[in-house]
Amino acid sequence: ETGVTQSPTHLIKTRGQQVTLRCSSQSGHNTVSWYQQALGQGPQFIFQYYREEENGRGNFPPRFSGLQFPNYSSELNVNALELDDSALYLCASSYPGTGGETQYFGPGTRLLVL
Amino acid sequence: TQLLEQSPQFLSIQEGENLTVYCNSSSVFSSLQWYRQEPGEGPVLLVTVVTGGEVKKLKRLTFQFGDARKDSSLHITAAQPGDTGLYLCAGVDQNFVFGPGTRLSVLP
Repeated sequence: ETGVTQSPTHLIKTRGQQVTLRCSSQSGHNTVSWYQQALGQGPQFIFQYYREEENGRGNFPPRFSGLQFPNYSSELNVNALELDDSALYLCASSYPGTGGETQYFGPGTRLLVL
Repeated sequence: TQLLEQSPQFLSIQEGENLTVYCNSSSVFSSLQWYRQEPGEGPVLLVTVVTGGEVKKLKRLTFQFGDARKDSSLHITAAQPGDTGLYLCAGVDQNFVFGPGTRLSVLP
């Protein structure tokens, strides 16, 4: 139990649609990162938000966007869904410290794009 | 682009056996983390290694960080069915770079 929750747990969309995934971080964690984990792969970094500002981005197109709110919740939005967007989407919250930052992952949202 | 490779990709062993899995990179990371992920759940942090040559033990699990901080190994002694899962290493720099994982199955 990491204290990080995600919703929904599963989602089915069709190509071209838009989707919003939600994450509730641990209280006091002002950093949230989002990852995409394709089947059989490790998580791939999408972006990170720190104090409601984007603070780093991986190799993902602009149709992947995010928001972070003052109440430690955040959103991942994906526009113009493609079949390859089918994956487990993970959020992880953390509180930056000195060396060896600890991330706490939620259980993920499994997205299927048909 | 920083990349991490993990080997083996899959490992199936009997309860009580020992095993070692590896994480290798051509890049240097400030630290390296090991996670275990079970089906339907997010990764859970097992350990963070920071210093080159560092060895950390967590019950039956022994983690080692290479001297050059580019590689790491995880050794499990007397594996148990509860050790079954996907073992991920992650290099920590400005962000986290995950390897593809080693999927371990421990049969009773």
